[in-house]
Amino acid sequence: EPEVTQTPSHQVTQMGQEVILRCVPISNHLYFYWYRQILGQKVEFLVSFYNNEISEKSEIFDDQFSVERPDGSNFTLKIRSTKLEDSAMYFCASSASGGNTGELFFGEGSRLTVL
Amino acid sequence: SQQGEEDPQALSIQEGENATMNCSYKTSINNLQWYRQNSGRGLVHLILIRSNEREKHSGRLRVTLDTSKKSSSLLITASRAADTASYFCATYLLYNFNKFYFGSGTKLNVKP
Repeated sequence: EPEVTQTPSHQVTQMGQEVILRCVPISNHLYFYWYRQILGQKVEFLVSFYNNEISEKSEIFDDQFSVERPDGSNFTLKIRSTKLEDSAMYFCASSASGGNTGELFFGEGSRLTVL
Repeated sequence: SQQGEEDPQALSIQEGENATMNCSYKTSINNLQWYRQNSGRGLVHLILIRSNEREKHSGRLRVTLDTSKKSSSLLITASRAADTASYFCATYLLYNFNKFYFGSGTKLNVKP
């Protein structure tokens, strides 16, 4: 069964360092998302991506964050200068048809620990 | 916040009992979806209900939607220990393109 894969599963970084989290969405999906979850709490929307551009972003997704689809298969989230409060699980999701008709498929997440 | 909010935050029941979780939201939706998350894992889609639907079933799951009250409920019948997980509702808002809001989840513990 097709699945969304995320790497790394866990990354530890020093405050101020840049981090890139990688995702491979399901191959025929067109809509991509990043969410984060702090300590098993609520799942917070960061950004959605469609047709090679950001379609929606939250107030959390400030200038420190960026996303790109560099090669047509990977979908990356970059945090330029990490802060302690960026420590969280980051989930990538993809959808064939967007939320209007379809479900989101989530990866297993990348745990980011900022020291 | 326009997020869905689940209630209760935590629920503990015995195997075989039914579990009911509620979700409330604030603005008009296109659809509402329920997801399940095992501890430390990704979210898995359970069921989608559209704004013009009132009830939907899938196996042991029953979802209701009341758009006048802006609320939904998820009923798991004859629960099993393997149902232990967190359950989240996600709202896809009308007029908002490509953004889902998730709530804080209900943590369900089913005791064997």
